[in-house]
Parts: sequence; C-alpha cells; structure tokens
Amino acid sequence: DTGVSQNPRHKITKRGQNVTFRCDPISEHNRLYWYRQTLGQGPEFLTYFQNEAQLEKSRLLSDRFSAERPKGSFSTLEIQRTEQGDSAMYLCASSLVRSSYNSPLHFGNGTRLTVT
Amino acid sequence: GENVEQHPSTLSVQEGDSAVIKCTYSDSASNYFPWYKQELGKRPQLIIDIRSNVGEKKDQRIAVTLNKTAKHFSLHITETQPEDSAVYFCAASMSGNSGYALNFGKGTSLLVTP
Repeated sequence: DTGVSQNPRHKITKRGQNVTFRCDPISEHNRLYWYRQTLGQGPEFLTYFQNEAQLEKSRLLSDRFSAERPKGSFSTLEIQRTEQGDSAMYLCASSLVRSSYNSPLHFGNGTRLTVT
Repeated sequence: GENVEQHPSTLSVQEGDSAVIKCTYSDSASNYFPWYKQELGKRPQLIIDIRSNVGEKKDQRIAVTLNKTAKHFSLHITETQPEDSAVYFCAASMSGNSGYALNFGKGTSLLVTP
C-alpha cells in the first residue's frame, strides 16, 4: 500500500501522559500536514512541513503540541501532558507541490486518541 | 483567516434522486476547492476538486460548481445510490503561510435510502 500510513491506529492514555504519533507520507510527496478531527466536525489544520522544514505552526492548539519531520520523510506529532480535551482523531495528509503543480491532499487513516 | 460554511448538516434522499450540498468561503484569495467523502471510521477521500479558473467540473455522477464572485461552491450528486451514504466535507485552500493546507466545512451527513 503506497498511501499515507499512520501509527498507532488507536491510543488510550491517562491524563498527564505524553503521547507520540507517527505518519509516513506517500514517498514522493514533499508536503506533510497534520489535522485534528473531533466528532461531528471537519478536520482542523494544525501544522505542515515542506520537506523537513516546519513552515506553519501557529495553529497548533497549545505549546503542549509539537511536530517534527527530521529527515523530510516520516513525521511525528507529540502531545505532552495530555488532557481529556485532546481526545480526537489525528489525521496526517501529504501532497506534492511543485512550482506549477499542486497535487490534492491524501489522508491517512488517522490515530484515534482517547485520554482517560 | 478562511472560514468555510457548509449546508445542510444532514441530508436524506431516496435512491435515484439528486443531492446538493452547498459551501461558502470567506477568503477571496482561496483558489482550490476539493470535496472529500468520509465513511464511518475511515479516512477522508477526495472525490472531486475544482480550481478557481474553472466554473464547473463533472466526473460521472458527481459535479462541482464554483461561483467566485459570490464565493460559494456546490457538490451535485445525481442518481444517488445507497453506497453514496457518508459524510461529505467541502474545503478551501488557505492562502498565506499555510502552504495550500485546507480549511474544511463541518460536513454534511448524506443518507441515501433504498
């Protein structure tokens, strides 16, 4: 399967713990996006990378959220000191952007986080 | 920033009828408008998209129309089938520093009854 891959699919954690999610984009895609989706809502943009550079992070929900893409391939999203309000589906998407072409965003299956 | 409004939030149609979902956006600089279908527990999947230099696009039973002046766009599904039942999201690309990231509407839950 050459689509966007996310791990784990589900994560249950206790309030106050740190969690980390991984995303492997489509291999030739240079842009990687993180979104959060809560029940009954559309995906909410959090941050994105162009190769290894994080070009927009002002929409991360708080300073407890951070993301990395150290080698321009896979990315991780970390949430520190989790709160019950962090419970949601975290979606990763990737796309290919060139000077004269932008591909559509392709989404992974997401990581569902439950904070108890 | 960009604000995308989507209506209706739920839509129920009989199999074979048409379904129309409407969205408005606020940022006149937005230039890319995709529609995603999301089945329960699955990823959002692109079904059709349109860019601002085009007014209408069709793909078999699905069509999208765009009115840049009024800043609204619509999804039209003809000859609906039960497998069309899902949540549909419209989106608009955000300009500025967000690198073509998408701003989504809240979704329309479509139910097609046999």
